[in-house]
Amino acid sequence: DSGVTQTPKHLITATGQRVTLRCSPRSGDLSVYWYQQSLDQGLQFLIQYYNGEERAKGNILERFSAQQFPDLHSELNLSSLELGDSALYFCASSLTGGAGDGYTFGSGTRLTVV
Amino acid sequence: GENVEQHPSTLSVQEGDSAVIKCTYSDSASNYFPWYKQELGKRPQLIIDIRSNVGEKKDQRIAVTLNKTAKHFSLHITETQPEDSAVYFCAARYSGSARQLTFGSGTQLTVLP
Repeated sequence: DSGVTQTPKHLITATGQRVTLRCSPRSGDLSVYWYQQSLDQGLQFLIQYYNGEERAKGNILERFSAQQFPDLHSELNLSSLELGDSALYFCASSLTGGAGDGYTFGSGTRLTVV
Repeated sequence: GENVEQHPSTLSVQEGDSAVIKCTYSDSASNYFPWYKQELGKRPQLIIDIRSNVGEKKDQRIAVTLNKTAKHFSLHITETQPEDSAVYFCAARYSGSARQLTFGSGTQLTVLP
């Protein structure tokens, strides 16, 4: 157990639907990152939060949004789902989000859009 | 932003041989370079990292080297074992305001018994 908790582990939903993925960072970590891992795309950075505020944004679609709550857990909302959104979604956390901080990844949420 | 290229995409070695995976990065301001191992269906796990003020770092059978001038870094695994079989990702972090890691595309390492 890495200390980063992601729920649910698996999600199957239909095109056009909306889902919410949840992440609880490791105790003491203030920064949360979301990554998408598709078969042929590696780990693509979506968004980063630090202590409740958005810090950096990657190639996140407008249909996707995220937030970090006062208790530091984060949610990634995916709407108007398309088949191509099927992927593993990882959350990672780090202490400060600083340059020398390593990440700890959660076990991921496997999203299948049918 | 940062761009990281990783080679090779697949690598097969005999058990006991060495394996080398290479990455290049684009932004000379990057200063942190971790390597992650991802077994099938599992989360990426940090195996070793190096900072830009260090040229080499070792941890048992694993070593990482960094050449800042050429902007490339490499992972070396010696005396490979079947349990080393996994996908390995390199990453780089820019030291500017955006602090996220940019990952390479991954290398599928297979250690043949």
